[in-house]
Amino acid sequence: AQTVTQSQPEMSVQEAETVTLSCTYDTSESDYYLFWYKQPPSRQMILVIRQEAYKQQNATENRFSVNFQKAAKSFSLKISDSQLGDAAMYFCAYRSPTDSNYQLIWGAGTKLIIKP
Amino acid sequence: ETGVTQSPTHLIKTRGQQVTLRCSSQSGHNTVSWYQQALGQGPQFIFQYYREEENGRGNFPPRFSGLQFPNYSSELNVNALELDDSALYLCASSLTGAWGNTIYFGEGSWLTVV
Repeated sequence: AQTVTQSQPEMSVQEAETVTLSCTYDTSESDYYLFWYKQPPSRQMILVIRQEAYKQQNATENRFSVNFQKAAKSFSLKISDSQLGDAAMYFCAYRSPTDSNYQLIWGAGTKLIIKP
Repeated sequence: ETGVTQSPTHLIKTRGQQVTLRCSSQSGHNTVSWYQQALGQGPQFIFQYYREEENGRGNFPPRFSGLQFPNYSSELNVNALELDDSALYLCASSLTGAWGNTIYFGEGSWLTVV
């Protein structure tokens, strides 16, 4: 079974600086999707960025980018120019095309604190 | 705002009671899934509905059941509530059940069982 691990329960960064959140996963499949979701205090899961495994180019969305290392099964999220509104729980998630449920499998999350 | 709306936002129930949670999916989305998120944890998949049929289920007992209506809105029903059912219940919708589609979440319903 696939698993997703986020080893950093909490991270803090000074406003305007850069922070990297780590995620590793375990799978025997060659194609899959990886996601980073943000969950602010409002509790709504908001998609930050997604990456399909067969695409070698790292995904980028404005200040958010990923470092996808397929062989190492690593999928880290880099947030540049951190803003106070980035403070939230960040979850890494995995989705497989061979899972008949098409469910998202989630890590335990990393709490990101932005220091003003 | 994703267009996925859930109700109620908060509720308190007594152990042994039954609860119904509701979800309106984003316009045009025919697939709805439900997740349970216990405090301090990542979400766990409960089940998924596609065009009114359950087409996927996680490791949850039968007392967790659901419905999807012709307008693609959905309900999650939990019978014989247990203290461990206390959690945030997230509804999510996607354009179709295809695995590549993005999943959009609502703000969740926070259930406390006492």
